[in-house]
Formats: sequence, C-alpha cells, structure tokens
Amino acid sequence: GAGVSQSPSNKVTEKGKDVELRCDPISGHTALYWYRQSLGQGLEFLIYFQGNSAPDKSGLPSDRFSAERTGGSVSTLTIQRTQQEDSAVYLCASSGGGIQETQYFGPGTRLLVL
Amino acid sequence: QQQVKQSPQSLIVQKGGISIINCAYENTAFDYFPWYQQFPGKGPALLIAIRPDVSEKKEGRFTISFNKSAKQFSLHIMDSQPGDSATYFCAASTQGGSEKLVFGKGTKLTVNP
Repeated sequence: GAGVSQSPSNKVTEKGKDVELRCDPISGHTALYWYRQSLGQGLEFLIYFQGNSAPDKSGLPSDRFSAERTGGSVSTLTIQRTQQEDSAVYLCASSGGGIQETQYFGPGTRLLVL
Repeated sequence: QQQVKQSPQSLIVQKGGISIINCAYENTAFDYFPWYQQFPGKGPALLIAIRPDVSEKKEGRFTISFNKSAKQFSLHIMDSQPGDSATYFCAASTQGGSEKLVFGKGTKLTVNP
C-alpha cells in the first residue's frame, strides 16, 4: 500500500519568504507527527496531531512555525518569514494512533533558505 | 539538554563483522526504545524496538540489548553486510500523550566489502 508522501521533495526559498510543506499520511492513520532533521543532528519533534484532539505543539521552535491538519488527513506545515537556520529536512510520520504504534516516515522535504 | 545520547557518531566495519551502537537516556519515564534505519534520501524506517520489561530482543541479525539500571541500550548487527550501510538512530518515548520520539543524533555505519 501507499506510504507517507510529502511534497515538495525539495524547496529552495529566499530568507523572509513563507513556505508550506505538505504531508499525506497513510490512509486510516489517525496520528500524524512532524519532525525536523538538521545536518548532523537527530530528528527533532515539532508537532503532533491525533484525531480531533488538540495538537501537541510543544516542539515548535518559534511562532513562525504553524501546522494544521484538515479533515483528519492531510497536514500542512507553514514556516513564515523563513530564516537560514530553518534549512533542514522536514519529516512527516503517521501511525495508527494506538499505544506506541510504529511511526512510519515519509521521505521528507529538503528546505534550503538562501 | 540531550535526553538520548548516541555513540559512536560513525562506524566502519568489515563485511561479516559485528556492528555495535550504543545509546544512553536520562528520562526514567521512557518505556519504548525503537531503532530506526535511514538510507540517504529516504525517511527513517523502524528496524527493531524493545520495551523495558525485557533485556534483549533479537530479530534476524539485529539484536537490542537493554540495561534498565544503567539506562542504556544498544544495537548489535551480526554478520554486517554492505547493504547495512546507513545511518542508525536510537529513540525513546513515553506511553501516553503524544508519544513523540526523542532521537539520538545518529550513527553513520559503513560496511566495507
């Protein structure tokens, strides 16, 4: 079956511009996560959605970062007024929402802020 | 504060050898410890996971050893193959809430033919 998909696969933008990154989770998965992977670093949790519950936004690094999940499926991560330090790979993962179920990752969006 | 510390940063082994990657954690509330494998240009994929009620879990050539008292766990890859060359991440999470994964910084494994 189809896995987690993300678009675009690569994004180059200029400092100060806004960007939107999209994630399509595995069909039927109720839990959705965004992580950020900077060069030489591990993955850093950003935000979590589960069904209709309030999202866990505790990992968002600043108020320039926001995310939404429409209809319990597709999610969009928005970064406003991008900075060079935002350059990273943004990874989306989904799971069935049960206790410590496997998180399945997409291929990521590689963001470069010039 | 890095909650999960992973070592070494890089590792080179010969084909057929044993690869060992170590992780240590601080948060005693962690109760799920997965290892993820990532190939260049791909997202991480779950390799094997363990819960603290067991000290070892083996799946094929991959084994997790877990030491609860020392707050350490390790991945052993037996009979390492060139196809195992990838970056490996240990992680930890706590049951309940978001169950977000806290990752180590990764180990780049190279298996020479």
